[in-house]
Amino acid sequence: SQKIEQNSEALNIQEGKTATLTCNYTNYSPAYLQWYRQDPGRGPVFLLLIRENEKEKRKERLKVTFDTTLKQSLFHITASQPADSATYLCGINYGGSQGNLIFGKGTKLSVKP
Amino acid sequence: IAGITQAPTSQILAAGRRMTLRCTQDMRHNAMYWYRQDLGLGLRLIHYSNTAGTTGKGEVPDGYSVSRANTDDFPLTLASAVPSQTSVYFCASSGHPTGELFFGEGSRLTVL
Repeated sequence: SQKIEQNSEALNIQEGKTATLTCNYTNYSPAYLQWYRQDPGRGPVFLLLIRENEKEKRKERLKVTFDTTLKQSLFHITASQPADSATYLCGINYGGSQGNLIFGKGTKLSVKP
Repeated sequence: IAGITQAPTSQILAAGRRMTLRCTQDMRHNAMYWYRQDLGLGLRLIHYSNTAGTTGKGEVPDGYSVSRANTDDFPLTLASAVPSQTSVYFCASSGHPTGELFFGEGSRLTVL
C-alpha cells in the first residue's frame, strides 16, 4: 500500500534559520505532491504544489523540491519567523479522483525567537 | 467569505446513535472529500465525490456513508457511532484537476 513518511514529528529551529522538512513516499509514483500548513484547531491550508516533471517550486520564502528517483520532497522555509510555527503536511495524489490525496502525519515546526 | 462550512463544530454522541456531519461549499467545486484526523495517524480519506451524483471510497470508509445530491452539499453519516469514530472530521473541496484542496474548519466528534 502507499505510504508517506515525514521525517520527524517535531522540528525546533531558531528564528532566521532555514527550516527543512522531508517527505518520503513508497509504492507509488504520484503525478504531483502538495504541501499544507495546519494551525491548532484549524483546517489545513494549501501552500504549494509541485508536479513530477518539476524539480523545484518557489513561493516567497517557501521552496519545494521533488525528486522522483529518491521518492522524496523537501520543503524549505527560509528566514523563518515565529509566525511560521505550525504543523506542515505533505500529500500525494494516488489516483482515482483528481484530488484524492493521502497525507503524511505531519511535522510540527516551532520557530523560537 | 467563500469557502467550506461544516456543522456542527463539536458534538458529543452516545455510542449506537446516528449522526450526520454537514458540509456545504459555495465555490462550485466538482470534487468534495471527507477526511478524519487522529493524533499519531494524520489525515485519512474516508469518502470522496468527483461530481454531484457520484461517490467513492477512500482509505477508511467502513462505518461511514455519504451522498452527493447536488454540487454544494456533501453530508457524512455515521449510521451507528462507535467510540473508535471519535475524531476530528474535515470536509474539503477541489475545483481543478491538480486537486488543490480547500478545507473546512473541522467537526470534532466524541463518541462515548
